[in-house]
Amino acid sequence: GIQVEQSPPDLILQEGANSTLRCNFSDSVNNLQWFHQNPWGQLINLFYIPSGTKQNGRLSATTVATERYSLLYISSSQTTDSGVYFCAVRGYSGAGSYQLTFGKGTKLSVIP
Amino acid sequence: DAGVIQSPRHEVTEMGQEVTLRCKPISGHDYLFWYRQTMMRGLELLIYFNNNVPIDDSGMPEDRFSAKMPNASFSTLKIQPSEPRDSAVYFCASSLSSQGAEQYFGPGTRLTVT
Repeated sequence: GIQVEQSPPDLILQEGANSTLRCNFSDSVNNLQWFHQNPWGQLINLFYIPSGTKQNGRLSATTVATERYSLLYISSSQTTDSGVYFCAVRGYSGAGSYQLTFGKGTKLSVIP
Repeated sequence: DAGVIQSPRHEVTEMGQEVTLRCKPISGHDYLFWYRQTMMRGLELLIYFNNNVPIDDSGMPEDRFSAKMPNASFSTLKIQPSEPRDSAVYFCASSLSSQGAEQYFGPGTRLTVT
């Protein structure tokens, strides 16, 4: 099946700093989503971005499908950005295969 | 829309007991997914349904696990008998049927089996 690798695994930022999280995947995808898992365990949809660039406030994401990677940018980080960021993809792996395959996540800690 | 609804949010039970987790997908979504999150294995798919029919249950760990979807607005995941290694967070998600459609996740049920 499709492989998803996220980097870095851990990241510590000073409040106000910018960061870039990366997601590499091993095959063509027709769905790529970024999630934020907050300290309470809830998975929050950040972006649905199988290709192209999107922005939402201080967050933006870019997926270069031909090169099989996606980037999540966090600008002017805040303590509330802390948590684990997951990349999840769905590949073209045949009829009936609608599951998302998740990376292991990037654990972000923003300190005041 | 209220989003995907799961209940209970937390469940603590003793080994050997039956556990039933519940999910209500977003209205109009015809795909429903059950995922499990553990420290060791991360987030992994257990089973998914299309129009209430189970499509792929290859992720269900063993016969102690079963899932049903009696109608478009309700699904259950049952563990009988439960074991301590079943302790995890169980997420339900739903999506529209278009290829590559975005999946929306519920808040999860944190299960602890003692």
